[in-house]
Amino acid sequence: DTEVTQTPKHLVMGMTNKKSLKCEQHMGHRAMYWYKQKAKKPPELMFVYSYEKLSINESVPSRFSPECPNSSLLNLHLHALQPEDSALYLCASSQFPRTAGAQAFFGQGTRLTVV
Amino acid sequence: GESVGLHLPTLSVQEGDNSIINCAYSNSASDYFIWYKQESGKGPQFIIDIRSNMDKRQGQRVTVLLNKTVKHLSLQIAATQPGDSAVYFCAERSGGTSYGKLTFGQGTILTVHP
Repeated sequence: DTEVTQTPKHLVMGMTNKKSLKCEQHMGHRAMYWYKQKAKKPPELMFVYSYEKLSINESVPSRFSPECPNSSLLNLHLHALQPEDSALYLCASSQFPRTAGAQAFFGQGTRLTVV
Repeated sequence: GESVGLHLPTLSVQEGDNSIINCAYSNSASDYFIWYKQESGKGPQFIIDIRSNMDKRQGQRVTVLLNKTVKHLSLQIAATQPGDSAVYFCAERSGGTSYGKLTFGQGTILTVHP
């Protein structure tokens, strides 16, 4: 199983809503990532979890709250988002430690629209 | 041909031609590089990777070349097929940390005409 599964595939939410994005992998990877991708732009790193601990936060606004309940799951909790937060949110995972030649495997993404 | 400007660089080729996609990276301490292919509505898909102690690596129909002197990476696709049409991103992994942080380049749109 070399898949990273993201749910939901599409999400429309109002600016006062609270929602969560979910990501799951069963490859035994110990690093998991959230990326944000706007149209015609490269993915931009938001968060990195290493061994279920948050290791990198790329100065992401607090309206985005990541959570890693166990080594297979990664969540992104959303609250009070703005329309400019509309984007494709990608989850990825990779082997750890880094010397293992660890390319990141990406999920298909959640297309988020904030109205 | 190839153009660079305010929009993503684009490369148009005929089916069967060889394609070369280029990428300039910024961090001389990066130790690992990856090429990804992203089709419309999908997540990036791993194509090939190369470590900084190598200058060339070959896969099936693809070759990656790394020139550390000028911080340049290229992806060569042999006998390009319409199914190769996608956006191609290079990504560099920062050296000197244990976090595996990947930073993506701007991307190139490859269009293959039958």
